[in-house]
Amino acid sequence: DTAVSQTPKYLVTQMGNDKSIKCEQNLGHDTMYWYKQDSKKFLKIMFSYNNKELIINETVPNRFSPKSPDKAHLNLHINSLELGDSAVYFCASSPGQGKQYFGPGTRLTVT
Amino acid sequence: AQSVSQHNHHVILSEAASLELGCNYSYGGTVNLFWYVQYPGQHLQLLLKYFSGDPLVKGIKGFEAEFIKSKFSFNLRKPSVQWSDTAEYFCAVTGGGADGLTFGKGTHLIIQP
Repeated sequence: DTAVSQTPKYLVTQMGNDKSIKCEQNLGHDTMYWYKQDSKKFLKIMFSYNNKELIINETVPNRFSPKSPDKAHLNLHINSLELGDSAVYFCASSPGQGKQYFGPGTRLTVT
Repeated sequence: AQSVSQHNHHVILSEAASLELGCNYSYGGTVNLFWYVQYPGQHLQLLLKYFSGDPLVKGIKGFEAEFIKSKFSFNLRKPSVQWSDTAEYFCAVTGGGADGLTFGKGTHLIIQP
């Protein structure tokens, strides 16, 4: 069973479009995250979401918005996509103490 | 603000060589430290972690790391590398809670047969 799953695995879209990436965890964790990995492999946290408390990395453009319909899901919605948004996006969940379980990633390509 | 510095961005070794990847962190409180590995085309996997206790921690696949508080370091080691260790290695730190991981920029390790 996949602990943290993401869909889609690959997403190719044009500039200006709006898209969503879905994340689901079946681990019962309270905290979920979104990370962005750029073309140089640098990983940076975008959001963390814990018991309906959202912590936003201030460098993330407000075109990005996480949405959590329930404890097991944290989706990432992106408006008005730009070329620079091309990256691999990883979802993660955590039981606490910093240990995190990562999803397989979604490779977003904006053309 | 916390930060992580990995000194070696690209490392090339021959099989059976010993490995040490440097990691230094900056954080003002109690830290939890991690090493993650990302094999080509795959997601991040946890190699090992340090929360407290014995500063020498052992992880999967023969890796170990030593937490040296006075040096703010958490270097990753393996006595004899294999071709299958070719991957990207990330050091990460968090203070716990829900503030997520701060990653270093990664070290791209290539093992030549």
